[in-house]
Amino acid sequence: QSALTQPPSASGSPGQSVTISCTGTSSDVGGYNYVSWYQQRPGKAPKLMIYEVSRRPSGVPDRFSGSKSGNTASLTVSGLQPDDEADYYCSSYAGSNMGVFGTGTKVTVL
Amino acid sequence: QVKLQESGPGLVKPSETLSLTCIVSGYSISSGYYWGWIRQPPGKGLEWIGSIHHSGSTYYNPSLKSRVTISVDTSKNQFSLKLSSVTAADTAVYYCARDLMTTRDYWGQGALVTVSS
Repeated sequence: QSALTQPPSASGSPGQSVTISCTGTSSDVGGYNYVSWYQQRPGKAPKLMIYEVSRRPSGVPDRFSGSKSGNTASLTVSGLQPDDEADYYCSSYAGSNMGVFGTGTKVTVL
Repeated sequence: QVKLQESGPGLVKPSETLSLTCIVSGYSISSGYYWGWIRQPPGKGLEWIGSIHHSGSTYYNPSLKSRVTISVDTSKNQFSLKLSSVTAADTAVYYCARDLMTTRDYWGQGALVTVSS
């Protein structure tokens, strides 16, 4: 069970969009529509931002969107705001009631 | 509102057993969902440790399976983690979370556990 692959960093200016990829295999990301995304600020617990590939929990701005193609899922943050600066992690169901996280991406708002 | 709170020793000696409990409020564990443990070594990423169903069925990360035990006490509305034979590599912030098909919607604040003599 290997970690899902994310780029170490991503950045954008305020108002721009940034997209983070999350690459797995047909045994996890590609095999199930159970990909979730988490935002983690320093010293804080992760916060659920997207679940089941593209669903947003109540209270999460619609600037956050998710998608999936094959073995790669993506999180797009539109209209970047300074408050969006954080680490982002993807997670996927991997069968047999197991889960796997991505390696994490640090988003910087320039 | 669902709240989770981790509790347990912040310092464990090498080769001993790490024990943490997650107390759940605002939701009855017996009502459903899975309940999981996730850890994060300092400066590193998240790692799923394992989960338990309210019925008691458990699921563990294969890389930790030989050392992990997760249990649930529905009468106290809490679930627990035990990790045996710890080393410095097990030093991490340990989080508990409500889990459904790896969607973790409620998290505890996290508990830092340091393995050191």
